[in-house]
Amino acid sequence: DAGVIQSPRHEVTEMGQEVTLRCKPISGHNSLFWYRQTMMRGLELLIYFNNNVPIDDSGMPEDRFSAKMPNASFSTLKIQPSEPRDSAVYFCASSQLTSDGEQFFGPGTRLTVL
Amino acid sequence: KQEVTQIPAALSVPEGENLVLNCSFTDSAIYNLQWFRQDPGKGLTSLLLIQSSQREQTSGRLNASLDKSSGRSTLYIAASQPGDSATYLCAVRFNAGNNRKLIWGLGTSLAVNP
Repeated sequence: DAGVIQSPRHEVTEMGQEVTLRCKPISGHNSLFWYRQTMMRGLELLIYFNNNVPIDDSGMPEDRFSAKMPNASFSTLKIQPSEPRDSAVYFCASSQLTSDGEQFFGPGTRLTVL
Repeated sequence: KQEVTQIPAALSVPEGENLVLNCSFTDSAIYNLQWFRQDPGKGLTSLLLIQSSQREQTSGRLNASLDKSSGRSTLYIAASQPGDSATYLCAVRFNAGNNRKLIWGLGTSLAVNP
C-alpha cells in the first residue's frame, strides 16, 4: 500500500485566497483525521471522520475552515479566506476499523500564507 | 484538563548509548497510548501502540512501557544509532471527556552523535 497520500506537499498563497488540501487514506481504513502542526502548539486535531461522516469538528478553528469526505478514498480540507496565522503543516491520518486504533500519517502539506 | 508532557524537550547522546524518553499524562483513565517518530520535514511514523491493559510493547531496539497509576510511559531505545535522530512524540487517548481523541505531547528532539 502507498500509505496515506496528501497533496500538494507545499503550498504558498496570499492572504485572502482559498486553499484546498487533499488526502487519500489507506485503502480499507474507516477513520480519517486532519491535524495541524505548529512550533508553538504542536499537533492539534482539527476534525475526524468515521465511515465518511464527520464525528468531531470541535478542533476546527473557525468558520473559514471546512472539511469534506465525499467517499472512502478522498477528503479535502479547505480554508477560505486564508490568513497568515493559518501557516502550518497540515497532516492527514487514517486508521482501520475505528477511530481508536493505530493512526498512520501522510507526509503533510506545508502551507505558507503571505 | 487532560494533558500530555514530554521531558526533556531535546536530548543529545553519543552513538551506542541506551536511552529513555519520558511521557507523562494527567489522567490515569486512558484507552491507549501511541509513540511516534517524526523526521525533519516529514510525516509521523507510528512506532508502538500500547493498550491500557498492557504494560509494555517491543519492536526491535524499541521498548515502550506504560504505568497508568503513575501517569507515565517511557520509550527505551537500545544501542542508539545516528539514524535514530528524530523527534519522538507521545500521544494518549483518554477514556472520557474528549471523544477519545489523541492528546499530544510536544515531543522530544533526539540527536544521536556518531
